[in-house]
Parts: sequence; C-alpha cells; structure tokens
Amino acid sequence: SQQGEEDPQALSIQEGENATMNCSYKTSINNLQWYRQNSGRGLVHLILIRSNEREKHSGRLRVTLDTSKKSSSLLITASRAADTASYFCATAGSGNTPLVFGKGTRLSVIA
Amino acid sequence: ETGVTQTPRHLVMGMTNKKSLKCEQHLGHNAMYWYKQSAKKPLELMFVYSLEERVENNSVPSRFSPECPNSSHLFLHLHTLQPEDSALYLCASSRDSSSGIVAEQFFGPGTRLTVL
Repeated sequence: SQQGEEDPQALSIQEGENATMNCSYKTSINNLQWYRQNSGRGLVHLILIRSNEREKHSGRLRVTLDTSKKSSSLLITASRAADTASYFCATAGSGNTPLVFGKGTRLSVIA
Repeated sequence: ETGVTQTPRHLVMGMTNKKSLKCEQHLGHNAMYWYKQSAKKPLELMFVYSLEERVENNSVPSRFSPECPNSSHLFLHLHTLQPEDSALYLCASSRDSSSGIVAEQFFGPGTRLTVL
C-alpha cells in the first residue's frame, strides 16, 4: 500500500518548543504533501516536496524527504497554541493515481 | 478561506431521507474529489472527477451518487443511508494530474453528516 503512516499518533508540547512528526510509506512516490486540519474543519495544504528534493522550508515549517528510507518528517519550530491541529501526510504516486492520506498526528501545543 | 465552499455545514437525516451535499470551487481547477472522514480512520477517497468525468470510484455503496455538472460544482446525492455513514464529508479540488504530477488539493470546510 502507498498509504503513509504518521508517527507519533499524538504529541503534546509546550508553546515555544519544536514539534517533529514523521511519515513512512511503502511504495515509490512522485511527491509527498503535508496537510493540517483543525478540529472538524477541512484540510489545509502546507507543503509539497517532490521525490527529487530532500528538504523544503516554508516559514516555521521544515520538511525533509528520504526516499531511500521511504520517510518524511515535518518540523514546526517555535510552536504556538494556534498550531494545535492534526497533521497528515499524503503520498502521490506516478501518473493519475490519487493522493493517499495517512491517519494523522494530533498535535497539542499548550500555552 | 480556501476557495472551496460546501453546503450544508451540518446535516441530520433519517435512513429513509434523500438529501444532497453541494461543493463549489472558485479556483479554476478541473479536478474535484469527495472524501469521507470517520473517527480514527484515514481519509477515504470516494469519488474523483477530472475534466468533469468520473475517474475513480472506490467501491462506494450505490446509496452515494455523485454528480459533476461542470468543473466548478460537485454534488453528492444521498439516499437510504445507514448510521455508519455518519461522518465528515469533505470536498476538494485541484489542478488535474494529466501531466503526471499530482498537485496539492484545496479542501472545503466539510459537511458533518449524522444519520439517525
């Protein structure tokens, strides 16, 4: 299965700390995407990293991709209470195969 | 706002009712998606429309019937649902992936459906 699996399932940190979430997958990918979902709302796209890229930054977000290990990580630096949400990785195969989402990591940032 | 709207935001229906969920995107995308999100389960892709043609139907029960009249609108018609169909239904849109690159998706806020 191409499905990504996030680790840990839940993470609780203090405001100002860094949060790291990991995603592992099983088959080759074209790109990998990270999304955030606030409780009961739609998903919001955060960042897309292509299979030939190793690292990407967007504001306080840093994503890495290791295709040899079939894994990716999302780092949120200097976390804020507003970062409290569920974070999902989604893998995209080649061609017209649809995105496949993992179960997500629930992040709680305590003020 | 993501540019994708969904109505209604909440829906309660009995098992014998017929209702429809509506999704509209204002992003100029030509691919649209329906997902089902249940508690403690991964997001489940239900239907994909690309260039107004259905290209994916992941063994979804026939009590769910999609309709895509144009590239900006997507409907999900519901009839004789079961209590286990209660979930958050999310619509998304994207550029189509005919180029071979799967693009990022933009999601609506979802419809919280409860089937009694």
